[in-house]
Amino acid sequence: DTAVSQTPKYLVTQMGNDKSIKCEQNLGHDTMYWYKQDSKKFLKIMFSYNNKELIINETVPNRFSPKSPDKAHLNLHINSLELGDSAVYFCASNPGHYNSPLHFGNGTRLTVT
Amino acid sequence: AQTVTQSQPEMSVQEAETVTLSCTYDTSESNYYLFWYKQPPSRQMILVIRQEAYKQQNATENRFSVNFQKAAKSFSLKISDSQLGDTAMYFCAFMRGGDSNYQLIWGAGTKLIIKP
Repeated sequence: DTAVSQTPKYLVTQMGNDKSIKCEQNLGHDTMYWYKQDSKKFLKIMFSYNNKELIINETVPNRFSPKSPDKAHLNLHINSLELGDSAVYFCASNPGHYNSPLHFGNGTRLTVT
Repeated sequence: AQTVTQSQPEMSVQEAETVTLSCTYDTSESNYYLFWYKQPPSRQMILVIRQEAYKQQNATENRFSVNFQKAAKSFSLKISDSQLGDTAMYFCAFMRGGDSNYQLIWGAGTKLIIKP
């Protein structure tokens, strides 16, 4: 199936730990994103990559580091996790057309205890 | 900077009724694109409908239609014959034409509950 897939679906960890979320798309899209959705459901863009190049880097703590080994993958690594990092993280991709919808992964619910 | 406002945090209607979700946006651009996304409890993000600003005709997708008022910068979503499966968060989003990052500006969302 063609899709954006991200793993894991759920992630529970303790404060201070380091964790990664992986994202892969087999749609051939050049642009990929990471979004954070907080408890109030507000969507905030974190990063955007175009063909492995960082394009958007919003005000995000530098504990968050995206890694794009190739244009089909965009992983998110988080160091020294804090309680406020608890959220749902979405990966998405765009085919590079203005009228095209984003293709979203199913999200990773991160819970920091 | 562009902003998107959804003034209704939550709405609920009876099954089979028609409901309209409001969305207004602020931009000085003339070329842009508007979207409605749906997020059911499964948390999957699903495109509902999209509208190009240069098109006068309102977009429709089955039971979903928009009322696009460009001068008023309004982009409301109408759901006809609502179904239980329409229960979800609905997000309005704006994309500036010419933005090579294809970045979406999101509204805060409206929680829609369809009651049996």
